[in-house]
Amino acid sequence: EADIYQTPRYLVIGTGKKITLECSQTMGHDKMYWYQQDPGMELHLIHYSYGVNSTEKGDLSSESTVSRIRTEHFPLTLESARPSHTSQYLCASSEIGQNQETQYFGPGTRLLVL
Amino acid sequence: SQQGEEDPQALSIQEGENATMNCSYKTSINNLQWYRQNSGRGLVHLILIRSNEREKHSGRLRVTLDTSKKSSSLLITASRAADTASYFCATALGSRLTFGEGTQLTVNP
Repeated sequence: EADIYQTPRYLVIGTGKKITLECSQTMGHDKMYWYQQDPGMELHLIHYSYGVNSTEKGDLSSESTVSRIRTEHFPLTLESARPSHTSQYLCASSEIGQNQETQYFGPGTRLLVL
Repeated sequence: SQQGEEDPQALSIQEGENATMNCSYKTSINNLQWYRQNSGRGLVHLILIRSNEREKHSGRLRVTLDTSKKSSSLLITASRAADTASYFCATALGSRLTFGEGTQLTVNP
């Protein structure tokens, strides 16, 4: 198992609430990613970061925002949750250099917005 | 259609049998990777094959890559019940991965 952690693992919340999904890794990886995955479906990249103070939007448009103030921490925030945000959110990281192509995934956060 | 399409979508076999999953893609790639996902969990990297490689082995896993056909296959030999999971191919260009829809493999004891 990789040293990448996500909290909470499960979250049920009402519409309109602000939520932050936490992701931390202890591998010193510079690159971090957020994916959104509906049950039984493929992963869609929604945000990525190549280092501190670097954030980019991914392939799938998302109303969420991210920040990268510290190397090990890449939180994702939804200012006002809606039922359409219900999904699983997976965080991943990879290192720069020879093994940069391999991504290490956290266990995911299952979000249900009522 | 998506980069990294996989077939079959679902595969059910008996323990001890071999399982073969296929992946097709559309664009140029640096490498192709296979990941495994147990239900409700994150993905675990299984194997990476570079665009200039044709076949790679890792334990009971065998991956082939045909860049002329833009396709790859993952073979799991002598399957076990613990191999039950979803398997995703992912194409890499630079540091970004594009995932397929996955194959749900069920290995019956």
